[in-house]
Amino acid sequence: DIQMTQSPPTVPASVGDRVTITCRASQSIDIWLAWYQQQPGKAPKLLIYQASKLQGGVSSRFSGSGSGTEFTLTISSLQPDDFATYYCQQYNSNSPWAFGQGTKVEIK
Amino acid sequence: EVQLVQSGAEVKKPGESLRISCKASGYSFTNSWIAWVRQVPGKGLESMGVIYPGDSDTRYTPSFQGQVTISADKSTNTAYLQWTSLKASDTAFYYCARRIIRIGFDIWGQGTMVTVSS
Repeated sequence: DIQMTQSPPTVPASVGDRVTITCRASQSIDIWLAWYQQQPGKAPKLLIYQASKLQGGVSSRFSGSGSGTEFTLTISSLQPDDFATYYCQQYNSNSPWAFGQGTKVEIK
Repeated sequence: EVQLVQSGAEVKKPGESLRISCKASGYSFTNSWIAWVRQVPGKGLESMGVIYPGDSDTRYTPSFQGQVTISADKSTNTAYLQWTSLKASDTAFYYCARRIIRIGFDIWGQGTMVTVSS
């Protein structure tokens, strides 16, 4: 099975900061990676798919990059609504698709 | 509007059975996979399994195989997650989501909280 490892587990940040989260796959997944945002008490929301494509309606301050085994999610200028937990997910295989452990962006 | 609406919160005792639901609307239910995701309070997301309602093809993550049953009813556009004997460790939020190949989980239900306690 493909394992996904996110880092760091938490990111202390302030409004306006640039934030970068990393996700590594245990084997190559090409570009088959998605990023989700989960705000407290809410269902996750798809932000990025195919490693770098922005889901419709998602702010352009979110961007994704990478391929193979290493990926990043960048928030260019953190806004109050962005304090949340972010998850990566691989969908290279036809199995149920594993998530990373999550990265919580918290107020510094 | 494309949406998934889940059944309400449940409180059960260990050993009881339970089925929770996820009703789809606004798209062709039989042409997209539905996934179930578990989230223990304060913890991360875990993929449990998926079903393709068109032909009921079902796949489970190994850790959930034999622990739950995923099913779907094409006549009511509803997917289900079922337990025959609940344990305290099943206490969690459960989300359904539409899985789109090459995209990810694009639409999510609002979640169902299941509490198992004696």
